[in-house]
Amino acid sequence: NFMLTQPHSVSESPGKTVTISCTRSSGSIASNYVQWYQQRPGSSPTTVIYEDNQRPSGVPDRFSGSIDSSSNSASLTISGLKTEDEADYYCQSYDSSNWVFGGGTKLTVL
Amino acid sequence: QVQLQESGPGLVKPSETLSLTCAVSGYSISSGYYWGWIRQPPGKGLEWIGSIYHSGSTYYNPSLKSRVTISVDTSKNQFSLKLSSVTAADTAVYYCAMSGAITYWGQGTLVTVSS
Repeated sequence: NFMLTQPHSVSESPGKTVTISCTRSSGSIASNYVQWYQQRPGSSPTTVIYEDNQRPSGVPDRFSGSIDSSSNSASLTISGLKTEDEADYYCQSYDSSNWVFGGGTKLTVL
Repeated sequence: QVQLQESGPGLVKPSETLSLTCAVSGYSISSGYYWGWIRQPPGKGLEWIGSIYHSGSTYYNPSLKSRVTISVDTSKNQFSLKLSSVTAADTAVYYCAMSGAITYWGQGTLVTVSS
């Protein structure tokens, strides 16, 4: 079993770039795909990144995902921040066929 | 485009069984993919409850496994969640989801456990 740890909150100004980390506690981050979900207030989550770094159609290319084996972590980077990006972001991976979620990061765009 | 819609009672009494159904449109459950349930207590993060593969294989969160049953009804193109012996700690928004490479989510339904 492993855990995914995210910062509780991050904030940045419109137009800037922000990176949200997701650190795996044990086992290799590269062992299983990482997904990222965006959840705006009062809405259900939507997928913004799947399979580490793939964007679903309709997700702006301002969103990108990556993994770093040296830090055993995944990252979600959002460039050219817009106020509409303000939301909670969750990383998710797999432990065998079980899902594991990170605790979520609240992104404030101010 | 696949759509998922949760339905079921919004209020369940303590010690009873929570039952929810997820109706799927735009894709046939029997064709493939994983079908899962995730919950979110008020003001908290996401918790995976369990998943079922289109073939019927099930996978449950170890912390909930003794109380959870997920099943599929391919004739109605829907899948269901049963969570037994509920307490106030099971109060949450319950989401159903379809998981292939991309995960698609339902809109969620709030279930409150209270007498």
